[in-house]
Amino acid sequence: SQQGEEDPQALSIQEGENATMNCSYKTSINNLQWYRQNSGRGLVHLILIRSNEREKHSGRLRVTLDTSKKSSSLLITASRAADTASYFCATDDYTGANSKLTFGKGITLSVRP
Amino acid sequence: KAGVTQTPRYLIKTRGQQVTLSCSPISGHRSVSWYQQTPGQGLQFLFEYFSETQRNKGNFPGRFSGRQFSNSRSEMNVSTLELGDSALYLCASSLRIRGGAQETQYFGPGTRLLVL
Repeated sequence: SQQGEEDPQALSIQEGENATMNCSYKTSINNLQWYRQNSGRGLVHLILIRSNEREKHSGRLRVTLDTSKKSSSLLITASRAADTASYFCATDDYTGANSKLTFGKGITLSVRP
Repeated sequence: KAGVTQTPRYLIKTRGQQVTLSCSPISGHRSVSWYQQTPGQGLQFLFEYFSETQRNKGNFPGRFSGRQFSNSRSEMNVSTLELGDSALYLCASSLRIRGGAQETQYFGPGTRLLVL
């Protein structure tokens, strides 16, 4: 079953606009990660935020984590056509040595030139 | 550093056959995880291997199995293929330490399996 649920399922914006994607999860986590996937290829890691962190930046990416609401958001600023891809959040469940990453179903982002 | 490699990239099989997929992790990574990706179910965790031992297993039937070798390379096998096994199979490696949380995963390009 999916731990992370992304919202919206699809997003279409104009180049230069900001894109905000949300992820909600159900159980306690060690960390939450965001990945990008282009056209059925392998996933590329974007950013990892730990359960004791609230905000993290990486280039044009900003991720927030609210453990009280069990939610995270990914903001891509000044989007480019090359940002067109599927974005997934993944949570590492808090089960000790055998914890695993569970992925959401993904958000399809289209950036129009 | 070379990335994660998967072979073959594409496979066409018929129902009832079996298939073996291979994954070579990034040098130094001891954790290898396998995922199945389909349009309907999304990314589903199959299993993880760490130092030749299966650490965790997803909710898949026993037809799906795997192993890891002493050089950390991993294989997964699917026996008695069904139409529903058609999917993109992704392998990922990480620097996960024993007993630690799952850290950044580095994915290979995937093997696209079509079962006819």
